[in-house]
Amino acid sequence: DAGVIQSPRHEVTEMGQEVTLRCKPISGHDYLFWYRQTMMRGLELLIYFNNNVPIDDSGMPEDRFSAKMPNASFSTLKIQPSEPRDSAVYFCASSFLSGVDRGYGYTFGSGTRLTVV
Amino acid sequence: DAKTTQPPSMDCAEGRAANLPCNHSTISGNEYVYWYRQIHSQGPQYIIHGLKNNETNEMASLIITEDRKSSTLILPHATLRDTAVYYCIVRVPMNYGGSQGNLIFGKGTKLSVKP
Repeated sequence: DAGVIQSPRHEVTEMGQEVTLRCKPISGHDYLFWYRQTMMRGLELLIYFNNNVPIDDSGMPEDRFSAKMPNASFSTLKIQPSEPRDSAVYFCASSFLSGVDRGYGYTFGSGTRLTVV
Repeated sequence: DAKTTQPPSMDCAEGRAANLPCNHSTISGNEYVYWYRQIHSQGPQYIIHGLKNNETNEMASLIITEDRKSSTLILPHATLRDTAVYYCIVRVPMNYGGSQGNLIFGKGTKLSVKP
């Protein structure tokens, strides 16, 4: 398995532009998580899905952020309009319910480093 | 708020055991202890988890005190590649009725393995 795949690896955009981050979870995983990591705030959960349905989006910072999961193999995190304070590394992770406590844990992608100038 | 307390940093000599402590004095009966690590520029990686018994896998051992208020992650023979930030997390597993199917990361311990 190729693991959780995120694209792009790096994104540099100008303030005000729309940014779309993409994630392909591991096949068979029914949970998908979006995290953001900054030096100041560490790793923060933004939103998570179960069976493609958003379960908890309380971590989404504001209305400029939106996430979708149109099918089991794809999710997007969109920022519109982007601002310099959105600069961070965004991680996607996936897991399956019965696997979490059988030692498989969550599998994280390599992240997307977003820079908004 | 993170429910765990970890030292901000530790050093370990290559080849020696690395013992990373974690305090979780307010842990509840149905919460498990999980350990993840994050190597520079990579996503976090699951290491091990446990409820009350000591656990061991190919990566590490987890020792949980009898009162479950603290635990220690042991890397038996640390290598330079074990240099990372190690996170100790307590949570109720999703399939045991946990209301939050997520991991809440604190600041972790930055482990530096030195030659």
